[in-house]
Amino acid sequence: SQQGEEDPQALSIQEGENATMNCSYKTSINNLQWYRQNSGRGLVHLILIRSNEREKHSGRLRVTLDTSKKSSSLLITASRAADTASYFCANSRTGTASKLTFGTGTRLQVTL
Amino acid sequence: DAMVIQNPRYQVTQFGKPVTLSCSQTLNHNVMYWYQQKSSQAPKLLFHYYDKDFNNEADTPDNFQSRRPNTSFCFLDIRSPGLGDAAMYLCATSWDGANTGELFFGEGSRLTVL
Repeated sequence: SQQGEEDPQALSIQEGENATMNCSYKTSINNLQWYRQNSGRGLVHLILIRSNEREKHSGRLRVTLDTSKKSSSLLITASRAADTASYFCANSRTGTASKLTFGTGTRLQVTL
Repeated sequence: DAMVIQNPRYQVTQFGKPVTLSCSQTLNHNVMYWYQQKSSQAPKLLFHYYDKDFNNEADTPDNFQSRRPNTSFCFLDIRSPGLGDAAMYLCATSWDGANTGELFFGEGSRLTVL
């Protein structure tokens, strides 16, 4: 399978704590993207990091990319109950211009 | 305002009865995708169009077909749904492909097969 792997599969934290999710992939990439999915809904794009970038921030989100290890991480700081959702990394592989391949996802539960 | 609209949101069909799911976009994007997502799994790409060019994934069953009559619309046809085809079907668009930017998803069509 060309699918990426995410770790952990599930994460439960309390409001105010930070949440870190990790993603690994198998081939060289153009970029790596993170998406969020609320239960039963479509996916919403969070952040895109290009292969020549190492770190990117957007609000409470921080994404890192290590192309030598073929891995990425998503950090959500000061989590809120509304952050409860599934989070997917997805990669655009070199040589496949239009396609986006999703990882297995992390289910995040933020409790009050 | 919704930019990628999928209809219907929920579809119930009988085993073997053909189903068509639709997707429309107001973004004027070149690329449209269909993904299948089974419960607690990753979205799996079935096929995509770059403009009128159709790109089928090697492991997409022949039971699944797609049409893109114009820039705004794309359809997913399931010719003879089996129980294993019960899933959420997600339509997405991008301006010029995932190598250049993000995908915009619709809310999905959940298919139940009885």
